[in-house]
Amino acid sequence: EAGVAQSPRYKIIEKRQSVAFWCNPISGHATLYWYQQILGQGPKLLIQFQNNGVVDDSQLPKDRFSAERLKGVDSTLKIQPAKLEDSAVYLCASSLDDRIYTEAFFGQGTRLTVV
Amino acid sequence: AQSVSQHNHHVILSEAASLELGCNYSYGGTVNLFWYVQYPGQHLQLLLKYFSGDPLVKGIKGFEAEFIKSKFSFNLRKPSVQWSDTAEYFCAVARSGAGSYQLTFGKGTKLSVIP
Repeated sequence: EAGVAQSPRYKIIEKRQSVAFWCNPISGHATLYWYQQILGQGPKLLIQFQNNGVVDDSQLPKDRFSAERLKGVDSTLKIQPAKLEDSAVYLCASSLDDRIYTEAFFGQGTRLTVV
Repeated sequence: AQSVSQHNHHVILSEAASLELGCNYSYGGTVNLFWYVQYPGQHLQLLLKYFSGDPLVKGIKGFEAEFIKSKFSFNLRKPSVQWSDTAEYFCAVARSGAGSYQLTFGKGTKLSVIP
């Protein structure tokens, strides 16, 4: 079974620039999560999708972050404009169905450095 | 708000020593509990999980965890660690809310095993 795919693996941008991350979940998984993991902290949920609908985006800084999941499969997370404090690893995860919780499978993450 | 507390930021052990990592959560309702591990340069992987039943759960690589409901704890243990256990360990709690499960992580404990 293929895992969760993310790209790019690494990205360095200057502050105020924009950046986008891509995630392809495990086939058949209805639930997709984006987490932000700042160095020394645990992953923090940014947004959760069930198919192509948003379930929870309460911790997403909506003035600069946006995410979409077209057709309920792949997802993109965008930051525009980036700030220094956005430097972190962005993790994508998927699970079968968040109404009957099983477990979440994580991708390798995208390490973003904002300079 | 739900929180997950991991008591140790960094633990250093010699090979063959016993390990116990603490985890407490604040939510009082029905929860599912997880320990994830992140080996250097790799993605988060599930170590073990508790949904219901026997509060002592066994995971991969000789790890186990005990759910103590009265203490809101889910501590991770291993009787004899190996150098290959060097990694970061995250406790996570999933609880149902508004029809979907939300997964919240602790800050993580870095384990260094000295040969």
